[in-house]
Amino acid sequence: QVQLVESGGGLVKPGGSLRLSCAASGFTFSDYYMSWIRQAPGKGLEWVSYISSSGSSIYYADSVKGRFTISRDNAKNSLYLQMNSLRAEDTAVYYCAGYSTAVRYFDYWGQGTLVTVSS
Amino acid sequence: EIVLTQSPATLSLSPGERATLSCRASQSVSSYLAWYQQKSGQAPRLLIYDASNRATGIPARFSGSGSGTDFTLTISSLEPEDFAVYYCQQRSNWPPFTFGPGTKVDIK
Repeated sequence: QVQLVESGGGLVKPGGSLRLSCAASGFTFSDYYMSWIRQAPGKGLEWVSYISSSGSSIYYADSVKGRFTISRDNAKNSLYLQMNSLRAEDTAVYYCAGYSTAVRYFDYWGQGTLVTVSS
Repeated sequence: EIVLTQSPATLSLSPGERATLSCRASQSVSSYLAWYQQKSGQAPRLLIYDASNRATGIPARFSGSGSGTDFTLTISSLEPEDFAVYYCQQRSNWPPFTFGPGTKVDIK
């Protein structure tokens, strides 16, 4: 069955860096656009970044532009998010989400990984 | 950026009752609107896409309607597992993809 498994979250100091990974299985990863979506504790959903199936198109939310970098390795069925210059307001559960060309919404989600930015 | 607002913030209902949730966009999104369900401690799940199409495996008690700026998610008869937070999301004008703040459906 479809699985998206995030890893790499943890506690980091303000200004620090972290790299999140998302391992995909059970579907043709290279056919899917992918995104990172986050949710601060007790808050709603915030889209963070998007990457096309080939990796040729990439977009970011203004709140992370210049600090975060999304990438993918279709040979490894993996999605990544490099997060630099982290701030307290980046504290959230980070979900990787699959965006199918058929439905064109986020129809696959991982279970999330918690990133806490605190001194 | 398209801003989505949802009402009410909380809806207190009993199992078996009908739930009507609203999502309003700051400008027209045509029919490019989805609804997601998120249970406590879980990832969101896609329920409805393009305003009125049920996603794979979603029960028929969930239905969506609307176009332009006003949308509705209806749960015809609440089951115990339906008590959750519901988010709308637009893909009409992106980036960014935007989500509404959510409506919590809790047990009365």
